[in-house]
Amino acid sequence: EDQVTQSPEALRLQEGESSSLNCSYTVSGLRGLFWYRQDPGKGPEFLFTLYSAGEEKEKERLKATLTKKESFLHITAPKPEDSATYLCAVQAAGGSYIPTFGRGTSLIVHP
Amino acid sequence: GAVVSQHPSRVICKSGTSVKIECRSLDFQATTMFWYRQFPKQSLMLMATSNEGSKATYEQGVEKDKFLINHASLTLSTLTVTSAHPEDSSFYICSAHNIDSSSTDTQYFGPGTRLTVL
Repeated sequence: EDQVTQSPEALRLQEGESSSLNCSYTVSGLRGLFWYRQDPGKGPEFLFTLYSAGEEKEKERLKATLTKKESFLHITAPKPEDSATYLCAVQAAGGSYIPTFGRGTSLIVHP
Repeated sequence: GAVVSQHPSRVICKSGTSVKIECRSLDFQATTMFWYRQFPKQSLMLMATSNEGSKATYEQGVEKDKFLINHASLTLSTLTVTSAHPEDSSFYICSAHNIDSSSTDTQYFGPGTRLTVL
């Protein structure tokens, strides 16, 4: 069974204090790993898709990396508007497109 | 691109009534749409997979007669909560798989519908 574990569950940062969120996964062959951002009362917003170990993608202050066992979402010099829940999901190779989601990391960035 | 809308965004209804939620892919075609339910401070719980022109596939424990799903076109799927009860109150989110995207495996989510059953 595919599993996704995100850590920490919650993270509080000061504005400008860089950090990383972790997504550990077990899957029988990875088709893709996804990162989403979710604001309270809204649907998840797509950030990145990673397909193979060693791949990296960046968007503004966010950078996602992937290894064979985990992915990191690095947040450089965060701002209060980066406060949100960040969700990680994996999609197994073969079969359906149904991803398995982690429980998310709730990030709060204080000004 | 890859915008998904949901309507309504918020609905309050009396116990025993039925509520229909629409999910539309606005700028792409989606052969597959997914319906999720999310409780406060919890992750997404997949309810069913909706394929255009065929019956939906429900996850274990989800009552198909309670949550009716119709996927009549490549841009529209509907979820009807029949005879709603207070325990059905939740945040319902749909997502769509973009068959034309270069990131062909990515799902794009709608903004969600907050259902409150009194």
